Amino acid sequence: EIVLTQSPATLSLSPGERATLSCRASQSVSSTYLAWYQQKPGQAPGLLIYGASNRATGIPDRFSGSVSGTDFTLTISRLEPEDFAVYYCQHYGGSSFYTFGQGTKLEIK
Amino acid sequence: QVQLQESGPGLVKPSGTLSLTCAVSGDSIGSYYWWSWARQPPGKGLEWIGEIYHTGSPNYNPSLKSRVTISVDKSKNHFSLNLSSVTAADTAVYYCMRGRDYSWGSWGQGTLVTVSS
Repeated sequence: EIVLTQSPATLSLSPGERATLSCRASQSVSSTYLAWYQQKPGQAPGLLIYGASNRATGIPDRFSGSVSGTDFTLTISRLEPEDFAVYYCQHYGGSSFYTFGQGTKLEIK
Repeated sequence: QVQLQESGPGLVKPSGTLSLTCAVSGDSIGSYYWWSWARQPPGKGLEWIGEIYHTGSPNYNPSLKSRVTISVDKSKNHFSLNLSSVTAADTAVYYCMRGRDYSWGSWGQGTLVTVSS
C-alpha cells in the first residue's frame, strides 16, 4: 500500500503570499494518478488538480501542481482569503484502491 | 451540472448495518463514470470506501471489504452503500462521489452517520 505523507501539517500565511504544499509518496507512483482537493469547514472536498498538474474545471490559474520523483507539490501563487482551507492529496494505487494524505491546514497568519 | 445527494439514517446501533443511498441528478448513472463512497470521521481525514461502475463489479477498500456492499439501481438512477457490523469507529460523514481519471470531480454534500446505542 502506498502511503501519502503531507507536509506541513499546518501552514500559516497571509493573503497575497505564496503557498507550497507537499505530498510525498512512499514509493514511486505515476503522476497520472495523483489529485489534490480543497475542503472548507462543513463542506465536501472539491477537486483542484488531477493527473498531478491538470487544473479541474473552473479552478483559478493561481493553483498549480507539479511533481519531482515521489514528491508532489501544490502551489498557490498568491493567496486569496477564500483559499484558507484544508488540502488533501489523493492517489490511485492500482487494483482499484485509493488513498488520501492526512491533509495540510492552510490558515491565516 | 450533476448533483449527488446522500440519504439514510443518521443514527445506527452498534453491530447494525449502515445503509445509505446516493441520488444522482443531472447525469445518468449509466454514463462513463465511476460512482464511489468515502467517509470522514469528525475532525479527521478522508478514507475511500469503494466504487462501482454501472456494468462492472464493485471495488472495495481492503480494510472494509468484508463488511461493505455497494450496488447500483439504474431504474432509480442511484447507488447505495451498506456497511455491516458497525462500531463507534464507523461514525463519520459519508460522501458519495462521481469519478473519472482516477479522481472525483463531483461530491455530495455528505451525511453524518453516528453509531451509538
